[in-house]
Amino acid sequence: DGGITQSPKYLFRKEGQNVTLSCEQNLNHDAMYWYRQDPGQGLRLIYYSQIVNDFQKGDIAEGYSVSREKKESFPLTVTSAQKNPTAFYLCASSSSGVTNEKLFFGSGTQLSVL
Amino acid sequence: AQSVTQLGSHVSVSEGALVLLRCNYSSSVPPYLFWYVQYPNQGLQLLLKYTTGATLVKGINGFEAEFKKSETSFHLTKPSAHMSDAAEYFCAVSDLTGFQKLVFGTGTRLLVSP
Repeated sequence: DGGITQSPKYLFRKEGQNVTLSCEQNLNHDAMYWYRQDPGQGLRLIYYSQIVNDFQKGDIAEGYSVSREKKESFPLTVTSAQKNPTAFYLCASSSSGVTNEKLFFGSGTQLSVL
Repeated sequence: AQSVTQLGSHVSVSEGALVLLRCNYSSSVPPYLFWYVQYPNQGLQLLLKYTTGATLVKGINGFEAEFKKSETSFHLTKPSAHMSDAAEYFCAVSDLTGFQKLVFGTGTRLLVSP
């Protein structure tokens, strides 16, 4: 079945540690996104990529980094510079990234700080 | 910049009752509007979207929404609630910069009692 796979489902970060969240899609979509979800705040855009080897900062990119070396993969690294990383992280994709397109979401990764 | 406001962080209804979830948007140009649903510990699924054309939009699971430009609203309704409708619902608007950068509301949790 086509879809988006996020792993791990749960992740714990120690002080000063970088952690990487995986996102893989087999929908042959060009565009991919990372959102952060906090209770009562909705979803906020961290990074997005419209095409391989290109990505742009979203509204809350500080403390995060991404890469897009392959069309199907868009990993997110939460660096030690992100002081409040505890949140639910959602990866999404869309066919080409035009503004009326449906987004397909993964089932998320819950990141917590030890 | 576009924004959305969802009135009511929680809405409670009885099974069989009308569901009304409110969304108001702010946009300087005709927007694209979306409703997504999120079940516990899962990603989001598209319920329906308004791009152009008919202002009454029908979606999945019996939901519909009406785009009212004069009221800058896009409220979500369902005539008869079912227990399986219990979830969190997000209204979103496209940031019309030529790329799909959705701006989400803070969400409304729908509670359905027997």
